[in-house]
Amino acid sequence: EAQVTQNPRYLITVTGKKLTVTCSQNMNHEYMSWYRQDPGLGLRQIYYSMNVEVTDKGDVPEGYKVSRKEKRNFPLILESPSPNQTSLYFCASREIGETEAFFGQGTRLTVV
Amino acid sequence: GQNIDQPTEMTATEGAIVQINCTYQTSGFNGLFWYQQHAGEAPTFLSYNVLDGLEEKGRFSSFLSRSKGYSYLLLKELQMKDSASYLCAVRPTGTASKLTFGTGTRLQVTL
Repeated sequence: EAQVTQNPRYLITVTGKKLTVTCSQNMNHEYMSWYRQDPGLGLRQIYYSMNVEVTDKGDVPEGYKVSRKEKRNFPLILESPSPNQTSLYFCASREIGETEAFFGQGTRLTVV
Repeated sequence: GQNIDQPTEMTATEGAIVQINCTYQTSGFNGLFWYQQHAGEAPTFLSYNVLDGLEEKGRFSSFLSRSKGYSYLLLKELQMKDSASYLCAVRPTGTASKLTFGTGTRLQVTL
């Protein structure tokens, strides 16, 4: 089954404790992205990647890092999480030349 | 930069037709997308417009006017399961992967 898998689905952590949210897709897509979704603000793009070792900042990259060492994986790293990074995070992937992006099921992160 | 506006909420009756509008102001334009998102779930792709006109896909249609910076999503024969948020997103010129979303329109379908 074609899918984008995020882990964990839910996470509560403390300020300053480094964490990684994993994203994996099994569709061999070139493009992958990370978004955060907050009430009243909608989905905002954090980082995106056009292929292995090619990443670029979205609209809200501060406080986040990403890496794309393999085509299927695109982890989101929070080196020192802060409460304002409490949010619902989505990973998405898409094939070159296609318009439909596939989203993971989301990761609800709470930073206390 | 990008600025995308959609109504926050709409209510419509089962079996009716509803039109959800989206206006945008962008420094460049390379396509407009509509996604559906049920509460607590991931967004799912509905439609894509890059040229002016209407794209029809079953009960859903999407219209684009680039000169007016305007799009709408038309839902016909509304069903209860259409209760969801509808997200408008614009892709700027010169990028294949960057997307800017509006805040979404929450549609409530009632009996």
